[in-house]
Amino acid sequence: TQLLEQSPQFLSIQEGENLTVYCNSSSVFSSLQWYRQEPGEGPVLLVTVVTGGEVKKLKRLTFQFGDARKDSSLHITAAQPGDTGLYLCAGAEWMEYGNKLVFGAGTILRVKS
Amino acid sequence: GAGVSQSPSNKVTEKGKDVELRCDPISGHTALYWYRQRLGQGLEFLIYFQGNSAPDKSGLPSDRFSAERTGESVSTLTIQRTQQEDSAVYLCASTLQGAGRGSPLHFGNGTRLTVT
Repeated sequence: TQLLEQSPQFLSIQEGENLTVYCNSSSVFSSLQWYRQEPGEGPVLLVTVVTGGEVKKLKRLTFQFGDARKDSSLHITAAQPGDTGLYLCAGAEWMEYGNKLVFGAGTILRVKS
Repeated sequence: GAGVSQSPSNKVTEKGKDVELRCDPISGHTALYWYRQRLGQGLEFLIYFQGNSAPDKSGLPSDRFSAERTGESVSTLTIQRTQQEDSAVYLCASTLQGAGRGSPLHFGNGTRLTVT
C-alpha cells in the first residue's frame, strides 16, 4: 500500500491569514481527493484532481496536483473560523478490481476569530 | 435521498466480547469501504468491497477482524475478542464506482467503539 504524508499535522491561525497544506508520496496515484471532516461526522469530499499539474479552485480554496501525480497541495486564502476542521488527502491506487483509496494522517486546522 | 447509515452510533463493550457494526450504503453504490479512525488521526484502511469481486482485506489488522457484504447492500464488520486498542471510530463509505474516477466516497457518521 502506498503511503501519503501530510504536513503540517496541526495548524492554528488567525482569521484572515493564508495557509497551505501539503500531501506527499513517493508513489504515483491515478487521482487524488481532498476531504474535510468535522467532529462527529464522516469526511466530505472537497475536490478530485486527476491530471498532473491540474489546478482547481473552490471559492477561497485552491488545489494543485503535482506534475508527476505524487503530491498535492491545498491553499486557503483569508481563512475563516468556518474553515476549522480536519483536512484529509486521499490517493487512489489502481487495482485490478477498481480503485482503493488510501488516506493521509490529516491536518487539523483551527482558525481563531 | 438517504445517505450512508451506520449503527450503532456508539458502542461500549467489555474487553473480550465480540461486536458487530453495521453499514447501510447508498442504494446502487457498488463499492463499499471500512476505515478505522483513532482520535485526532487520519483514516486507516480496513477492507474494500467492489461489486462481486473478492474483497480487498489487506487492511484488516488481525484475524479477530472480519467483514461481510451481501451483494451490493448491507455490510457488517465483526470484531471478535475485543481489545482496548480496538477503541476507535469505525467509518463506512460507499461510492457509485471505483474511488478516484470522479465519484466521491460518501461516508456515514461512524460507530464510536469503546472497549473497557
